[in-house]
Amino acid sequence: GAGVSQSPRYKVAKRGQDVALRCDPISGHVSLFWYQQALGQGPEFLTYFQNEAQLDKSGLPSDRFFAERPEGSVSTLKIQRTQQEDSAVYLCASSLVSSGTGELFFGEGSRLTVL
Amino acid sequence: KQEVTQIPAALSVPEGENLVLNCSFTDSAIYNLQWFRQDPGKGLTSLLLIQSSQREQTSGRLNASLDKSSGRSTLYIAASQPGDSATYLCAALWGGQNFVFGPGTRLSVLP
Repeated sequence: GAGVSQSPRYKVAKRGQDVALRCDPISGHVSLFWYQQALGQGPEFLTYFQNEAQLDKSGLPSDRFFAERPEGSVSTLKIQRTQQEDSAVYLCASSLVSSGTGELFFGEGSRLTVL
Repeated sequence: KQEVTQIPAALSVPEGENLVLNCSFTDSAIYNLQWFRQDPGKGLTSLLLIQSSQREQTSGRLNASLDKSSGRSTLYIAASQPGDSATYLCAALWGGQNFVFGPGTRLSVLP
C-alpha cells in the first residue's frame, strides 16, 4: 500500500489478556518506530527498528511489552497480561532512511482499551 | 531531560486570520525538528521537516522557523481555513532515533 497500515484499528481486551498489534510500513522503509499516545498528549517513544534489528527499546514501559520485526518489514507489538494503564493509541511510523534526517510517516494507530 | 513544550494548548481563530503556533525545546543541540498535524482519531501527518542547519521551511500556506539558540520553533499558518482545524504537534530529535513530541496545540478555525 501507499502508506503505513496498522491493524486492528480498535481492540478491546479484558485485563490480563494478551494482545498483538500489527504494523505494515511503507515498502522499502528502513526505520520503524512504535509510539504510545494517551488521550490529549503527544506520542511517547516505545521502540525503534532499523531493518530487523531492534536498536532502541528504552521506551517500553515494562517487560510485558515486546516488539519484533523479524524480516525487516512488518512489525508486531505484543502486550502480555494487559493492564488498564495500557489503554492508549499505539502508533507506528516508518522512515526511508536510517539516520535522523528522514521524514516520519505514521499509520492511523491502533486504539487499545483494557477493561 | 530533553523536553518539548507547546503554547497555547488550544487556539480558536476566525477564518482568514494568520496565526503562529509555538514550540519550545530544552536542549539547543537538536538534530532536526518536525511539525505534524493530527486529525481526531487519526495518525499524524508530517507537515514540515527542518534540519539543524536550516532556519526555515515553507510548504504552501505553512512556514516553519527554527531558532536553536533560543530553543524555539514556530509554525506560521497564513490565511487560515476551517480545514486547518486539527491538533498540531512538533517533535525534536537529539541524536539517536528517539523523537520527543510536544503535547500539541488544538486549533479551531471558525467559518
